[in-house]
Amino acid sequence: QVHLVQSGAEEKKPGASVKVSCKASGYTFTSYGISWVRQAPGQGLEWMGWISTYNGNTNYAQNLRGRVTTTTDTSTSTAYMELRSLRSDDTAVYYCATFSYGSRSLDYWGQGTLVTVSS
Amino acid sequence: SYVLTQPPSVSVAPGQTARITCGGNNIGSKSVHWYQQRPGQAPVLVVYDDRDRPSGIPERFSGSNSVNTATLTISRVEAGDEADYYCQVWDSSSDQPIFGGGTKLTVL
Repeated sequence: QVHLVQSGAEEKKPGASVKVSCKASGYTFTSYGISWVRQAPGQGLEWMGWISTYNGNTNYAQNLRGRVTTTTDTSTSTAYMELRSLRSDDTAVYYCATFSYGSRSLDYWGQGTLVTVSS
Repeated sequence: SYVLTQPPSVSVAPGQTARITCGGNNIGSKSVHWYQQRPGQAPVLVVYDDRDRPSGIPERFSGSNSVNTATLTISRVEAGDEADYYCQVWDSSSDQPIFGGGTKLTVL
């Protein structure tokens, strides 16, 4: 059974950085990519980026390029998302999800990590 | 960039059929995926590739896609189906997924 377990809630000041982890289990880690999606309070889903778990290729949303980095550690089946220069409008729940290379769907999701940015 | 349009809300009585639409230019040429997000929970994939269901998703959930509109159909709606539903396609020109704005399904 596929499980994605994310790190706990974070509170950050504007200008700081946050790094969220996503530990995968129940499948071969390199069988799926990992996508990151965020959801601001009361808003819809916003795709942030994805990373290929077999060659490390990445792609990021245009509005986040330069501030976001996604990485993976295949030895521990863990993905990471770092967001820098945090602003108040980065306050959101951040989700990791497995990304199917075939159908391009997000098949399994983590439980979400609340990141609050406030002075 | 590619835009997907969903109605903000749909209401249906228990036992009836709910239809949630997702409009996009020539969306019929793309594969559409649907996600259910219950309040306070992470999204769950309920339909992929227009009409296929992941294991564990009831047969009451079905999908179709033609020309400029994809549709998620939920038959015999139950109280537990009350949630936000999002459609998603892959935009090959930008190499990224595109989400619709979401539809809140209310079970009366």
